[in-house]
Amino acid sequence: NAGVMQNPRHLVRRRGQEARLRCSPMKGHSHVYWYRQLPEEGLKFMVYLQKENIIDESGMPKERFSAEFPKEGPSILRIQQVVRGDSAAYFCASSVPGSYEQYFGPGTRLTVT
Amino acid sequence: RKEVEQDPGPFNVPEGATVAFNCTYSNSASQSFFWYRQDCRKEPKLLMSVYSSGNEDGRFTAQLNRASQYISLLIRDSKLSDSATYLCGSSNTGKLIFGQGTTLQVKP
Repeated sequence: NAGVMQNPRHLVRRRGQEARLRCSPMKGHSHVYWYRQLPEEGLKFMVYLQKENIIDESGMPKERFSAEFPKEGPSILRIQQVVRGDSAAYFCASSVPGSYEQYFGPGTRLTVT
Repeated sequence: RKEVEQDPGPFNVPEGATVAFNCTYSNSASQSFFWYRQDCRKEPKLLMSVYSSGNEDGRFTAQLNRASQYISLLIRDSKLSDSATYLCGSSNTGKLIFGQGTTLQVKP
């Protein structure tokens, strides 16, 4: 049973470019969560999605960041006009409905130059 | 005040020692609690869910104290391979709120 998959694992972007991070949940999981871990900091919640629905985006920065989880395909976290402060590890997690046990993917390390 | 707080450590212990971590939470509405392990800032791996009755998995025991709003993790007979950062997390609406993590170094 494949775990949570994320790609790319490493992403380098210049300031002002767009970053797209993808997450495929575990088989049977329909809930997806995105977290960010800045260098030397803890894991911070960003957004919680179900298929075609954003449940909680209280942790998303107000500008430049968006997330979706379409009916078909992976969940996408999109960062427009990246800045150096966006450099971080972005982790996706998934769970089954009714459970708060979340399983994490390997993360995408974003570096903004 | 942070919603979930942990002593960052590091805790340096010899192999075979017993070590305990505590984690306090401020949101009394929190319903679910978890311990995760993170190695070298790789993906967190779920170690244990924490139940009111307490739960044990091999050398690991987790406890929840709702009255005092803390959870604990006890590791018995520490192994070198237990060296990692241990994150506690709480949830009441799905999203997990994590503490900063406690670093454990087990020495030979």
